[in-house]
Amino acid sequence: QVQLVESGGGVVQPGRSLRLSCAASGFTFSIYAMHWVRQAPGQGLEWVAVMSYDGSDKYYADSVKGRFTISRDNSKNTLYLQMNSLRPEDTAVYYCAKSLGSGYFNSFDYWGQGALVTVSS
Amino acid sequence: DIQMTQSPSSLSASVGDRVTITCRASQAISNYLAWFQQKPGKAPRSLISAASTLQSGVPSKFSGSGSGTDFTLTISSLQPEDFATYYCQQYRSYPLTFGGGTKVEIK
Repeated sequence: QVQLVESGGGVVQPGRSLRLSCAASGFTFSIYAMHWVRQAPGQGLEWVAVMSYDGSDKYYADSVKGRFTISRDNSKNTLYLQMNSLRPEDTAVYYCAKSLGSGYFNSFDYWGQGALVTVSS
Repeated sequence: DIQMTQSPSSLSASVGDRVTITCRASQAISNYLAWFQQKPGKAPRSLISAASTLQSGVPSKFSGSGSGTDFTLTISSLQPEDFATYYCQQYRSYPLTFGGGTKVEIK
């Protein structure tokens, strides 16, 4: 069965960096686009970033552009989110999500359990 | 950016009730519309894509309809396990955007 397992969350000071990982299993990781979505405490869902199946293309939300970098290693079936210059407003649970297809204009079908990132001094 | 507006933001209903949630896009998105269910402390669950296509394993009491700018999610007979928050999402253009959510509570 499809599994997405995030790791790397924690407490970090403003201005510091953190890298999240999402280990995928149960499907052919290398043929699907993958997303990061976050949810601040008590708030709704916010899409963060997407990477194409082969890593050749990516898009970001304006709120993280220039600070966050999405990447993937298809040989390790793993998606990453490098988060730099973190701000208190980046505090959220971060979910990775599998696209329904290889292209960008697909919805999601599976989600990970989430990783909590807390940005606080 | 495409804005997604859900209504109502919350509702109270009884077991067995038929419930309808509305989602409106700020511009036409054809049928590039998905619905998700989220229970407290849990990850979202994908219910519907392409406005009306049920994801694998989703019971048929859930149904979606609409095209263009106006969409609905209907739960035909509310059960205890359906009390949750529901989100719509457009994937017609980037950035992908979600509605603000509809919390379905027990009356």
